[in-house]
Amino acid sequence: GESVGLHLPTLSVQEGDNSIINCAYSNSASDYFIWYKQESGKGPQFIIDIRSNMDKRQGQRVTVLLNKTVKHLSLQIAATQPGDSAVYFCAEKANQKVTFGTGTKLQVIP
Amino acid sequence: EPEVTQTPSHQVTQMGQEVILRCVPISNHLYFYWYRQILGQKVEFLVSFYNNEISEKSEIFDDQFSVERPDGSNFTLKIRSTKLEDSAMYFCASSGRGTSGNTIYFGEGSWLTVV
Repeated sequence: GESVGLHLPTLSVQEGDNSIINCAYSNSASDYFIWYKQESGKGPQFIIDIRSNMDKRQGQRVTVLLNKTVKHLSLQIAATQPGDSAVYFCAEKANQKVTFGTGTKLQVIP
Repeated sequence: EPEVTQTPSHQVTQMGQEVILRCVPISNHLYFYWYRQILGQKVEFLVSFYNNEISEKSEIFDDQFSVERPDGSNFTLKIRSTKLEDSAMYFCASSGRGTSGNTIYFGEGSWLTVV
């Protein structure tokens, strides 16, 4: 079946350092990938997305990398700030269904 | 910035009662979704809706669940006879076209507690 999973459940980084959050997916039919940030008690907040015909996309302080060969997705956050502390979910989309991974908790140490 | 809005933010209901969760998607969006998140777990897909019909649903979305777009702005999720295990945060989401590359935006969620 299809699944999206994360390698690390919790990631602790020093403020100012770069963060890398990883994700593996298994549905080769997925053609669109999204990273969401979820703060406690709130809904998933869109961070950045990437289509399957791309391997890299940059936003403000964030970069998403897609490696279709090994079905791997990563989110890089530059100069991590305390406000980046949250749970980060990768998600893959095939047809009308978005499947979320299990989430990685990012803890920023001041 | 346009946003998806949901009501109520929190509802407590007795087991066996019917619950309706309401959502107002972003106004020019065409695809609508319901997800749920049990406390401490990942976000799970329930159903997607397009052109006034369900386009895809998960195994969670059984006969106890239904969705409706009663007018041009609201999108509702009904749970006919709630069970304890229905306690979760329910998120509504919408997207512009639903094809790959179009962002899905989520509301802040409705907490459902079944007692």
